[in-house]
Amino acid sequence: EPEVTQTPSHQVTQMGQEVILRCVPISNHLYFYWYRQILGQKVEFLVSFYNNEISEKSEIFDDQFSVERPDGSNFTLKIRSTKLEDSAMYFCASLPDSLGNSPLHFGNGTRLTVT
Amino acid sequence: AQTVTQSQPEMSVQEAETVTLSCTYDTSESDYYLFWYKQPPSRQMILVIRQEAYKQQNATENRFSVNFQKAAKSFSLKISDSQLGDAAMYFCAYRSAMGGSEKLVFGKGMKLTVNP
Repeated sequence: EPEVTQTPSHQVTQMGQEVILRCVPISNHLYFYWYRQILGQKVEFLVSFYNNEISEKSEIFDDQFSVERPDGSNFTLKIRSTKLEDSAMYFCASLPDSLGNSPLHFGNGTRLTVT
Repeated sequence: AQTVTQSQPEMSVQEAETVTLSCTYDTSESDYYLFWYKQPPSRQMILVIRQEAYKQQNATENRFSVNFQKAAKSFSLKISDSQLGDAAMYFCAYRSAMGGSEKLVFGKGMKLTVNP
C-alpha cells in the first residue's frame, strides 16, 4: 500500500538555523498538510496545501514557516530561523480528494530538536 | 471554532477485556466527520475508525466500534478483546464537511495501557 514518507526521521539543529523537512505524499493525492505535536501534547494543524497554494493555515504558521511543492512529488516545510519552542514531531499528511470521510494518510513524522 | 475534548488522559485495561475511550466535541455544524487515530510508540498516526455525522448507524471495524451520540456531541471508542498491541495514544478528531476546510481538529489524546 502506498505510504507518505518523511525525511529525515530525526533532525537536530541549532537555534536560529534554517531547517527543511521533507515529505513525499502519496502520488495521486491532491491535498497536503503539515501538523506538529509538541512532546506529550496534542497534534496541531499548521497548514494545508492544494492546487499549488496554501488553502488554510493556523496561527502557529507565521512568517517563519513556508511550504513548497517544488517538483510535483516533494512537499517541504521550511522553518527560517528555528526557536527552541519549534522542537516537536512534525507530521506530513495527504488526502486523495475533498470527500470528508477519506482519511488523512500520515507519514511517520520528523522529530525536530532545536538546541 | 470546533473543539475536541478527551477528558481522560490515561486508562488501563486487562488483556482480553473491553475498554471505552470517551470523546466529546463542540460544533455548530450539522454535517461533519469524526475519526479515532492510534499513535503507538513508533509515533505513526494510524486510522482506527471513522464516522459520518449523517449516518445514524455506529461504525464498527473488527474489535473497534463507536458510540456516536450526535445530540450529546459524544463519540466514544470501544475496544473489545483488548490486545497488547492496542497499547498506544488514542486521538479523537473532527473534520468539517463544509467545503474549504479539510483539516482535522484533534483532542489532546489518551494513553491506553494494556496489562497482560
